[in-house]
Amino acid sequence: EDQVTQSPEALRLQEGESSSLNCSYTVSGLRGLFWYRQDPGKGPEFLFTLYSAGEEKEKERLKATLTKKESFLHITAPKPEDSATYLCAVQALGGRRALTFGSGTRLQVQP
Amino acid sequence: DAMVIQNPRYQVTQFGKPVTLSCSQTLNHNVMYWYQQKSSQAPKLLFHYYDKDFNNEADTPDNFQSRRPNTSFCFLDIRSPGLGDAAMYLCATSRINTEAFFGQGTRLTVV
Repeated sequence: EDQVTQSPEALRLQEGESSSLNCSYTVSGLRGLFWYRQDPGKGPEFLFTLYSAGEEKEKERLKATLTKKESFLHITAPKPEDSATYLCAVQALGGRRALTFGSGTRLQVQP
Repeated sequence: DAMVIQNPRYQVTQFGKPVTLSCSQTLNHNVMYWYQQKSSQAPKLLFHYYDKDFNNEADTPDNFQSRRPNTSFCFLDIRSPGLGDAAMYLCATSRINTEAFFGQGTRLTVV
């Protein structure tokens, strides 16, 4: 069974204080790992897809990296508008597979 | 803009009274998903369609059903809602084995 564990559950940063969120996964074979941002009361917003170990993707202050067992979402010099829950999901190889999500990291960036 | 639209955004229903949630998409994706998300938890897959091919998760209660009359629309029917069914219901679409795009969700309250 595919499993995704995210840590920490919650993170509070000061504006400009860089940090990283962790996503550990167990999957029989990885087709892709996905990062989403979710604001309160809204649906998840797609950020990145990573397919193989060593791959990196960047968008503004966010950079996602992937190893064979985990992914990191690095947040550089965050701003208050980066406050949200960040969800990680995996899709396994083999046939038609849906995404399995972790429970997310709630990030709060204080001015 | 192409998107995934869920209606209504908020739904209040009585205990045991059938309710239907709807989802439409303009992305022309052949895969549609329904996820249930409770507070601070991971989105949990209920079922998904590959075109008209219906895939039910093993632990999805019989109380939940779905219909997909055409590529653009998908419905979630809850036959007899209980208090434990109060949650955010998320519809998502994708091409096969790619990232999913979510609607804004329907917040269901059971009274």
